[in-house]
Amino acid sequence: DTEVTQTPKHLVMGMTNKKSLKCEQHMGHRAMYWYKQKAKKPPELMFVYSYEKLSINESVPSRFSPECPNSSLLNLHLHALQPEDSALYLCASSQDGGNTEAFFGQGTRLTVV
Amino acid sequence: SQQGEEDPQALSIQEGENATMNCSYKTSINNLQWYRQNSGRGLVHLILIRSNEREKHSGRLRVTLDTSKKSSSLLITASRAADTASYFCAPHDYKLSFGAGTTVTVRA
Repeated sequence: DTEVTQTPKHLVMGMTNKKSLKCEQHMGHRAMYWYKQKAKKPPELMFVYSYEKLSINESVPSRFSPECPNSSLLNLHLHALQPEDSALYLCASSQDGGNTEAFFGQGTRLTVV
Repeated sequence: SQQGEEDPQALSIQEGENATMNCSYKTSINNLQWYRQNSGRGLVHLILIRSNEREKHSGRLRVTLDTSKKSSSLLITASRAADTASYFCAPHDYKLSFGAGTTVTVRA
């Protein structure tokens, strides 16, 4: 199983809503990532978890809150988002945090209204 | 943060032709990775080349790395319509960050 599964595929939320994005992998990878991608732009790194601990936070606003409940799961909790946060959110995992290839999920297309 | 800068930004070629794109980066790296992204979908890993390697092949893909010039190139030979995608290099120092990418269009 070389899949990274992201749910939901699409999400529309209001600016006062609270929602969560989920990411799951069963490859035994110990590093997991969240990226944000706007249209026609490259993915921007948001967070990196290594061995279930947050190792990198790229100065992401606190309305985005990551969580890694166990080595297979990664969540991104969303609260009080702005319309400019609308984007494709990509999750990825790798064996050990960069010395090996990363596997990406298909992303969650988020629209904030 | 470490990012690659790809050149050209866009490339349009005929099916069967070769496509070459280049990546430059700023600081020392552990490895450099290339990814492909089809429209609006997840990224697919193509090749990882380590800092002590100079060239690597995978099927129709050939990647070179010149650490003295801090540059890498990706060659796709005998292109197909299915190669139409955006290609990103990702120089890895302590994190995986992506450059702006090259959009490749293969015309039938």
